[in-house]
Amino acid sequence: QVQLVQSGAEVKKPGASVKVSCKASGYTFTSYDINWVRQATGQGLEWMGWMNPNSGNTGYAQKFQGRITMTRNTSISTAYMELSSLRSEDTAVYYCARGPPTSQYFHHWGQGTLVTVSS
Amino acid sequence: EIVLTQSPGTLSLSPGERATLSCRASQSVSSNYLAWYQQKPGQAPRLLIYGASSRATGIPDRFSGSGSGTDFTLTISRLEPEDFAVYYCQQYGSSRTFGQGTKVEIK
Repeated sequence: QVQLVQSGAEVKKPGASVKVSCKASGYTFTSYDINWVRQATGQGLEWMGWMNPNSGNTGYAQKFQGRITMTRNTSISTAYMELSSLRSEDTAVYYCARGPPTSQYFHHWGQGTLVTVSS
Repeated sequence: EIVLTQSPGTLSLSPGERATLSCRASQSVSSNYLAWYQQKPGQAPRLLIYGASSRATGIPDRFSGSGSGTDFTLTISRLEPEDFAVYYCQQYGSSRTFGQGTKVEIK
């Protein structure tokens, strides 16, 4: 079965960077885009961007342009999301998510990774 | 960017009642590329509906989606205890954006 398993919780200081991983199994990693969505405590869902694991092509929400980088390692079926210049407002649960090959809704989600930004 | 506005913010209903949730887009959602998710505390979202009206695999038929263009609706015909949760709409016709959510709570 399809599984997306994310790395563990992180605590970072303001101005630092964080890199969250998302390991895929149960399907061909390079055949489906990976998206990243975050959720601050008690708040709604916020789409951050997508990556095509085959080509490495990416697309980021304008809000995160210049601060976000999505990469992958196809040999271990793992996607990564790195967010830099962290501030307290970046404290949130970060999810990776996957949908069908030709569409961008999400029927598989990782378990979420809590990133806390605090001095 | 397409902005999705969900209403109401909170819906207080009793088990067995009908729930009607609205999602309005700031501009037309191409090809009705509109999805609905359910989220419970501490869990990742769960896909309910895609393409405005297609139920995802394993979703009970008490959940239905309708609408087109800028106005979409999620209907839960008879609320079960496990349906009390937060619901989000998402458009994927032009990039992707989520609505701010509607909480369905027990009255």
